Amino acid sequence: GEDVEQSLFLSVREGDSSVINCTYTDSSSTYLYWYKQEPGAGLQLLTYIFSNMDMKQDQRLTVLLNKKDKHLSLRIADTQTGDSAIYFCAESKKGTGRRALTFGSGTRLQVQP
Amino acid sequence: DAGVIQSPRHEVTEMGQEVTLRCKPISGHNSLFWYRQTMMRGLELLIYFNNNVPIDDSGMPEDRFSAKMPNASFSTLKIQPSEPRDSAVYFCASSLGGLENIQYFGAGTRLSVL
Repeated sequence: GEDVEQSLFLSVREGDSSVINCTYTDSSSTYLYWYKQEPGAGLQLLTYIFSNMDMKQDQRLTVLLNKKDKHLSLRIADTQTGDSAIYFCAESKKGTGRRALTFGSGTRLQVQP
Repeated sequence: DAGVIQSPRHEVTEMGQEVTLRCKPISGHNSLFWYRQTMMRGLELLIYFNNNVPIDDSGMPEDRFSAKMPNASFSTLKIQPSEPRDSAVYFCASSLGGLENIQYFGAGTRLSVL
């Protein structure tokens, strides 16, 4: 199976909270990341969390990590239409020579006005 | 800083032609990554360099693909000969290294091979 899995689509109303979920399989993951991709653009790093942390908050973004269940979530408070994009979860693995990030398939967030 | 710069942004070519994609990493970054994004396979690593030396090229599809990093500020990804199945968006990313492994992505090159 895939190393990192995400649901494909999420639709919310403007002003509501969005929660995007991700599961990963490799317990040796050291850092986990959330990237945002807008149409025709590259990937923009939103936030990241070290694997020994449970939570990280940065303005409207809250990352929760359940290491036991290998589950990562990104909560966006007060979601705006400008938050409409594809959100990728990614992991960085421990080990020399293995610096590439492994990405999930991305969750398309659609914000309804 | 201007960020990671890729060129061209779009490339349309015919099957069999040589294609060269270019990347300028963020100044001071010592790691450079080439990723490919397709609908079928998502984002996957092609190759990465550390201090201009290729470290992991396990993602390079076949001999038609080659990548170079002649100095710390420039890298190329070449496909020769190109095939329609190479059509994808190719991203370059760079990193300072370190435990956090924060990678900054360029805007990508959208390649269409007809």
